[in-house]
Amino acid sequence: EAEVAQSPRYKITEKSQAVAFWCDPISGHATLYWYRQILGQGPELLVQFQDESVVDDSQLPKDRFSAERLKGVDSTLKIQPAELGDSAMYLCASSFETRNNEQFFGPGTRLTVL
Amino acid sequence: QKEVEQNSGPLSVPEGAIASLNCTYSDRGSQSFFWYRQYSGKSPELIMFIYSNGDKEDGRFTAQLNKASQYVSLLIRDSQPSDSATYLCAVMDSSYKLIFGSGTRLLVRP
Repeated sequence: EAEVAQSPRYKITEKSQAVAFWCDPISGHATLYWYRQILGQGPELLVQFQDESVVDDSQLPKDRFSAERLKGVDSTLKIQPAELGDSAMYLCASSFETRNNEQFFGPGTRLTVL
Repeated sequence: QKEVEQNSGPLSVPEGAIASLNCTYSDRGSQSFFWYRQYSGKSPELIMFIYSNGDKEDGRFTAQLNKASQYVSLLIRDSQPSDSATYLCAVMDSSYKLIFGSGTRLLVRP
């Protein structure tokens, strides 16, 4: 069964360090999403890609977060420098297309900033 | 600010009962509606989606949509302890952005 892959599954870092997360969407899915989920809340969209282009990054804290999907397939989300408030689950999802299409999530990366 | 509201719960039901989970949304232009199940420490898993007013059934799950009332619900028949999880309602708004509620925690008592 096709799945979204993410790594690492867990990451512990100290504040002010840099961290990076990787995502490989389901094959053939043109749209890729990065979400952040704080404990007790629903996922919130950070950035959305259509192929290699950013469609929506309005909620991405651009002073410290960056995301890329250079070849329109896998993607990397980076945080530099990490802050205590960045501790959360970072979820990657993909869909075949954007409009009214189901999004499938990867296993997520649990980030703890000390 | 577009919102999706869910009762946080926990909703506790006995095994074999029907669990009813509810969700309201603020954006009248919303087109599609999704229910995700999330076990503790895991990622959300899509279980149902509905686009049109009315009911949609899939096994033990039924999604219900009333766009006039801006209300969507999920019924789980013959609830099992393995159904114990947080259920996230997600609404695709008029700009095709998926907005999630905070989830309802369901507990199915053996």
